[in-house]
Amino acid sequence: AQTVTQSQPEMSVQEAETVTLSCTYDTSESDYYLFWYKQPPSRQMILVIRQEAYKQQNATENRFSVNFQKAAKSFSLKISDSQLGDAAMYFCAYRSLGGGADGLTFGKGTHLIIQP
Amino acid sequence: EAGVVQSPRYKIIEKKQPVAFWCNPISGHNTLYWYRQNLGQGPELLIRYENEEAVDDSQLPKDRFSAERLKGVDSTLKIQPAELGDSAVYLCASSLGAGGPSETQYFGPGTRLLVL
Repeated sequence: AQTVTQSQPEMSVQEAETVTLSCTYDTSESDYYLFWYKQPPSRQMILVIRQEAYKQQNATENRFSVNFQKAAKSFSLKISDSQLGDAAMYFCAYRSLGGGADGLTFGKGTHLIIQP
Repeated sequence: EAGVVQSPRYKIIEKKQPVAFWCNPISGHNTLYWYRQNLGQGPELLIRYENEEAVDDSQLPKDRFSAERLKGVDSTLKIQPAELGDSAVYLCASSLGAGGPSETQYFGPGTRLLVL
C-alpha cells in the first residue's frame, strides 16, 4: 500500500513571498500520478497541479510549480507571489497508474497561512 | 457546468440513529467516489463506483455502512447505526473514469456529520 507524508502541519508566508510545501511518499510502483489539492474553509477540494511520474519535467501551473524527485520520492509544491486567496489546507495525493480511475491516497495536509 | 452536488451540508444526529448522504456527480462522469475526512486528516477512500458497480469497497466498514448507485448516476451513502467515531466530513467526488494522466477527480463540498 502507498503512503503519503506531509511533515509540515502549518506554514506561514508573507503576501507576495514564495513558500514551499513538502511531501514525501512511499510506493513500490514505478509509475503513478501525484497531485496537490487545495481545500479552503468551504471544504471543496480543488486540484492545483498534477505530475506524471514517468515525466521528468516538473509541472507548472501559473504561480504553482512542483519539484519532483522520483528517486527520493519527494514532491514539493512551490507557490510564488503568494496571495491572500492561497490561504487553505493543501493536500498531497497519490494515484496508481493502473487501469481505471483509482482512488487517491492523501497526506494529512499542510495549513497555509498568508500574512498580509 | 454544475459541479458535484452533495446534501445535506450539515447533519447532527444522536448515536445509534441512521443517517444518509446523497451525491449527484458531474454529468457524464462514470466513476464516483466516497471519501471520509476526519478532523485534521486527509480524505480516505471508502468506496469507488464505476457506473453501477462498486469496484473498490475494501475500506468501507460493512457492518454499519452501505452505499448504492442505482442507474449509475447519483449515489447514497448510509450509516446505520451511527457511532460517535463516525463524526467526520463525507466527501463525494466524480471523474470521467477513463483513467490515464488527464483523469481528474472533482469533489463536492462535503457533508459534515456530528454524532452526539
